[in-house]
Amino acid sequence: DVKVTQSSRYLVKRTGEKVFLECVQDMDHENMFWYRQDPGLGLRLIYFSYDVKMKEKGDIPEGYSVSREKKERFSLILESASTNQTSMYLCASSPAGSRTGELFFGEGSRLTVL
Amino acid sequence: AQSVTQPDIHITVSEGASLELRCNYSYGATPYLFWYVQSPGQGLQLLLKYFSGDTLVQGIKGFEAEFKRSQSSFNLRKPSVHWSDAAEYFCAVGSSSGGGADGLTFGKGTHLIIQP
Repeated sequence: DVKVTQSSRYLVKRTGEKVFLECVQDMDHENMFWYRQDPGLGLRLIYFSYDVKMKEKGDIPEGYSVSREKKERFSLILESASTNQTSMYLCASSPAGSRTGELFFGEGSRLTVL
Repeated sequence: AQSVTQPDIHITVSEGASLELRCNYSYGATPYLFWYVQSPGQGLQLLLKYFSGDTLVQGIKGFEAEFKRSQSSFNLRKPSVHWSDAAEYFCAVGSSSGGGADGLTFGKGTHLIIQP
């Protein structure tokens, strides 16, 4: 089975802190994604990557950056956390040339910024 | 740009009753369509998907969905719900041209409540 692991399930940070959210997948998938989930807004795409060192902006990239130094690992970075970034963050992956684009999700990282 | 609308934010159903969750999409070509379920505190699990062929798709946990191109809909159904079906349900659409590299567009979700 595909396994997408998000290292931190729950984090509490202070405004202005730098925050790293880590995601690792074990199925050799080329594509990786970071979504943000908020009540009433569903899932919104922050950034995605289709190859090592490649990154593309999603729908809401402001205030975020990403890093993909290895194929299996995709990190989301909040350079200076703000309270409006309190949210659930979901990492997902999919294989290259996926016929359907099905995504495989991690269990999520719930971030609270005080 | 593609989009997904789930008109119902909350739905309450009695245990044992039938269920239909609505999903409408906007996409220029033949869409790839998905239903995911999210239990409290968990990630998203795929229930079923449609990308070609038979418009009635069977999924896990006794769910099915029907693709209706004329109505731009992909409604999720289950003949008899169980208390364990209480969760958040997301409909999503993918691009048939992107090969999966650009992700999926999700609806805002429907929260399903099961009454005993």
